[in-house]
Amino acid sequence: GAVVSQHPSRVICKSGTSVKIECRSLDFQATTMFWYRQFPKQSLMLMATSNEGSKATYEQGVEKDKFLINHASLTLSTLTVTSAHPEDSSFYICSASTDRGTDTQYFGPGTRLTVL
Amino acid sequence: DAKTTQPTSMDCAEGRAANLPCNHSTISGNEYVYWYRQIHSQGPQYIIHGLKNNETNEMASLIITEDRKSSTLILPHATLRDTAVYYCIVRLPNAGNMLTFGGGTRLMVKP
Repeated sequence: GAVVSQHPSRVICKSGTSVKIECRSLDFQATTMFWYRQFPKQSLMLMATSNEGSKATYEQGVEKDKFLINHASLTLSTLTVTSAHPEDSSFYICSASTDRGTDTQYFGPGTRLTVL
Repeated sequence: DAKTTQPTSMDCAEGRAANLPCNHSTISGNEYVYWYRQIHSQGPQYIIHGLKNNETNEMASLIITEDRKSSTLILPHATLRDTAVYYCIVRLPNAGNMLTFGGGTRLMVKP
């Protein structure tokens, strides 16, 4: 099956710093990638939809200036959490759609962000 | 995307079949039924999807009722490693369409 990787798997940072998370599709090209956030004991919530070569589309309530998304190639999307605060601590998960068949989404393993 | 309704939690004995139901009474004619699962602290894992016909792969079987208003995911021989939250999602099959996750069913496989 299609493989999606994320890096880093976990990161601890100080309040006010910025953190970049990478999402890669390893064996397929992904025109569209998605970024989700999951707080403890809650379900995944979509943050933004990222299309290669264009600006991301953010869900209501997600600050585009705080969560910068870049989708520079068909295999890489990055999420940068700028000026992170403790309330940004969460599990961030990306997914990518294959461009064949019924466009099944495959998920990365997630990145655990802890802001001190 | 149509909403789905799943039981909050279920138990299953190891080695037995786990049958996870999902109601999607407002599904439209061209929406697919997808199943994912999420093991603790991992990203969701794709399991199976279907439109009308029953589907089977190496992980599970998907049974969709004739009126498509409900479906059942079957894990034929549950193991302890199948303990996870299982999500049933209906979605149009386009790459730009995101997945909307509900609460899912927390399946606990017990020895």
